[in-house]
Formats: sequence, structure tokens, C-alpha cells
Amino acid sequence: KNEVEQSPQNLTAQEGEFITINCSYSVGISALHWLQQHPGGGIVSLFMLSSGKKKHGRLIATINIQEKHSSLHITASHPRDSAVYICAVGYNTDKLIFGTGTRLQVFP
Amino acid sequence: GAGVSQSPRYKVAKRGQDVALRCDPISGHVSLFWYQQALGQGPEFLTYFQNEAQLDKSGLPSDRFFAERPEGSVSTLKIQRTQQEDSAVYLCASSFDRTGELFFGEGSRLTVL
Repeated sequence: KNEVEQSPQNLTAQEGEFITINCSYSVGISALHWLQQHPGGGIVSLFMLSSGKKKHGRLIATINIQEKHSSLHITASHPRDSAVYICAVGYNTDKLIFGTGTRLQVFP
Repeated sequence: GAGVSQSPRYKVAKRGQDVALRCDPISGHVSLFWYQQALGQGPEFLTYFQNEAQLDKSGLPSDRFFAERPEGSVSTLKIQRTQQEDSAVYLCASSFDRTGELFFGEGSRLTVL
């Protein structure tokens, strides 16, 4: 059983829809990362958070430490948001445990 | 450059060949990480450097894998006597310090025939 589980594994949406991707983990952590990976491999760090909520543009990330759960929300989704979204947790960056990712496709 | 640079982007090797993958981190970043990402999977930790010191190599899958960062900037991941199961994308990431935001390179896709 992966220590970091994401749901759903695959997600399709129409442009403009509100999207939620969930991440649950079983270990105690000091920080959780949300990453975006486009086809071809490049990974971009979206958020690093240890409590509460962060917002950047149309992206919102929340974390509940007690429940060991985080969500990534995308408001007004756009086809360019199509990518794999990866949740990673850990105490230090070198000890990150990665989820297998959620593949999002947004259609116009 | 402004970001983390990896080369080569694509490498095809015959089984048994040695390969070397290079990572140029962001200037001034102390921490450098190597990850291995198999098809359809999330990245898995290989090794971690703080400056030139390799502080953690617990993720290296076998003694055929070797990484170095001799001057605390550029790093090289070397795989000796490649096997088919080594086929993966090898990602390098750097951060200002051990707990900071990670910046990833584009990855080196290794295919072993």
C-alpha cells in the first residue's frame, strides 16, 4: 500500500469546471508538496504547505494535518491545466514520498 | 541558466553499457536531489547532496548506480552495466536548502535495449 494515495487517478473535465484532487497520507509529515508534470517530463512545484491553505491564481491547496489529507482545487479549469498532478509528503525534501499522480484532462 | 538543466534529454543504451547523466542545478542552490521515475509512477528518491557532500544515497537501487557532485554544483549520475529495468526518467531537482521549494529539471529519459 502506497503511503501517499491520490484520487482520482484520472480525471476529465470540461473547460470552466471546478476541479478537486485529493491526497491522503499515512505518515506524519512536516510539509506537503503539490507538483504539476506536463507530458515530456518537466515538473513544476505548485505549492509547499504545512498547514492551512494557500492560493495562487486559480489554484488553491488545503491541508488538514490531523486528518492527514490535502486537496488541490482548480477553479475555472482550462485545457492548459491538463497535466499530471503529484502530491508528495515528508519531513525533509530529501525524504519526500510521492504519490502516483492524478492525470487531468480538460476539454474545451 | 535560470532553471535546472539536465542532459542528455534522451539516452538509448544497449544492455551492459555505462551511462552518465548530468544535472546543472540553479546557481546557489545547496541541495540537489536525484529521482527515478518509472513509466506511470511517481518519482522515487535516489540520492541527496548538500553542497559536495552526499548525505543520503539510500535510494540508489544497486551498486551499479553512483552519483557525485565534486564541486558542489554540477552533479553526475552514473549507471554502470545498464539493465532493462534501469529504463526510466531520471529527474534532478535543486533547492536553496533542505526544506525549501524544489525546482526540477526536464529529466533524462533512459531507455535500455
